[in-house]
Amino acid sequence: DTGVSQNPRHKITKRGQNVTFRCDPISEHNRLYWYRQTLGQGPEFLTYFQNEAQLEKSRLLSDRFSAERPKGSFSTLEIQRTEQGDSAMYLCASSPPLKGGLGIQYFGAGTRLSVL
Amino acid sequence: AQKITQTQPGMFVQEKEAVTLDCTYDTSDQSYGLFWYKQPSSGEMIFLIYQGSYDEQNATEGRYSLNFQKARKSANLVISASQLGDSAMYFCAMRARIQGAQKLVFGQGTRLTINP
Repeated sequence: DTGVSQNPRHKITKRGQNVTFRCDPISEHNRLYWYRQTLGQGPEFLTYFQNEAQLEKSRLLSDRFSAERPKGSFSTLEIQRTEQGDSAMYLCASSPPLKGGLGIQYFGAGTRLSVL
Repeated sequence: AQKITQTQPGMFVQEKEAVTLDCTYDTSDQSYGLFWYKQPSSGEMIFLIYQGSYDEQNATEGRYSLNFQKARKSANLVISASQLGDSAMYFCAMRARIQGAQKLVFGQGTRLTINP
């Protein structure tokens, strides 16, 4: 039973470049979440998918950010024209259907982005 | 709006002692869930324990227990017989248990250091 997998683990890029991160959730989980965590802070919610539908987006998700979850399996988070303020840990989590469950979110190890 | 407050930036404890990590929350929702996560230096958020707002008994999971005081809006994590491997960041989080509410709201975390 594998957990949530995120790739790459680390990404260094120059300001203005585009980057894409991938998240593979736990196989039977239909819900997928992206969070951003800056140094010394707790994670902040970015967006949420139920199957392939993106149902909620935070105001933190500017126009330069886009997330997809084709076919309701893996998800990608793309940041266009990166800025130094985008430097953070990007965490992905997944959870099983809420009905009858607690909706516990299980996290991956994150992708650490450094924008130079 | 929901808010989580963790007032202890850092805690230092001797191995085998018990430790309490504080968490207070603010919400106008009647139904909600409270979570504690552990984040080691590797970055992955590890789920520890859950408490529902209508649960009459405090949650326990092995060496972890949650001291839930609803009237005071506090959900402190108690770790009994601490071990060196418990050294990590600990985050308290909450989620409203209403239709459509999915995101976790996190506190700023407490860095726990266990000394031998």
